[in-house]
Amino acid sequence: AQKITQTQPGMFVQEKEAVTLDCTYDTSDPSYGLFWYKQPSSGEMIFLIYQGSYDQQNATEGRYSLNFQKARKSANLVISASQLGDSAMYFCAMRASHNQGGKLIFGQGTELSVKP
Amino acid sequence: EPEVTQTPSHQVTQMGQEVILRCVPISNHLYFYWYRQILGQKVEFLVSFYNNEISEKSEIFDDQFSVERPDGSNFTLKIRSTKLEDSAMYFCASKRDSGDEQYFGPGTRLTVT
Repeated sequence: AQKITQTQPGMFVQEKEAVTLDCTYDTSDPSYGLFWYKQPSSGEMIFLIYQGSYDQQNATEGRYSLNFQKARKSANLVISASQLGDSAMYFCAMRASHNQGGKLIFGQGTELSVKP
Repeated sequence: EPEVTQTPSHQVTQMGQEVILRCVPISNHLYFYWYRQILGQKVEFLVSFYNNEISEKSEIFDDQFSVERPDGSNFTLKIRSTKLEDSAMYFCASKRDSGDEQYFGPGTRLTVT
């Protein structure tokens, strides 16, 4: 069965510091994609970063980077230089299919609070 | 920058009524999705749509649900006879043919009373 696990219901970080949000996944499909989305209190889902299972390099997008450890089946999100606007719910998701149009399976989310 | 739009932002309906949630995906996208998020819970997949037909649906997407792409721009989710447990945020998402990212709309909050 395909599954995404986020074990941190809530995290706190001081402004300007880095924070790592954990995500582990389970799939038997050799081809898959991993995603992170941000959900602010307003409710929308904002795409942050994507990592393909065959990508050799860890994905980076500005202050976001994805620490992809394939053998451990983990895809942790690292946010550098946290800002107050980073306070939000963060969801890890997986597309567990070679079909690029496949559905996303989401984790339970981690609520990040950035302290001034 | 193009974005997915959804209307209405909030819909209140009585149990047993039909509702139609509307989405306008990004114009050059070919894959369309509906997800829902019950308050405080994770986002769940409902259905995907490609080439004018359903490509995948979850067990949540029973006979009470249907989707349509009535014209070249809209993508709708219909719930025929709403139940209290249908109360949730419903997200539409779209994806272009190449690329991996699914772009989500702002959601429609459905409240069934």
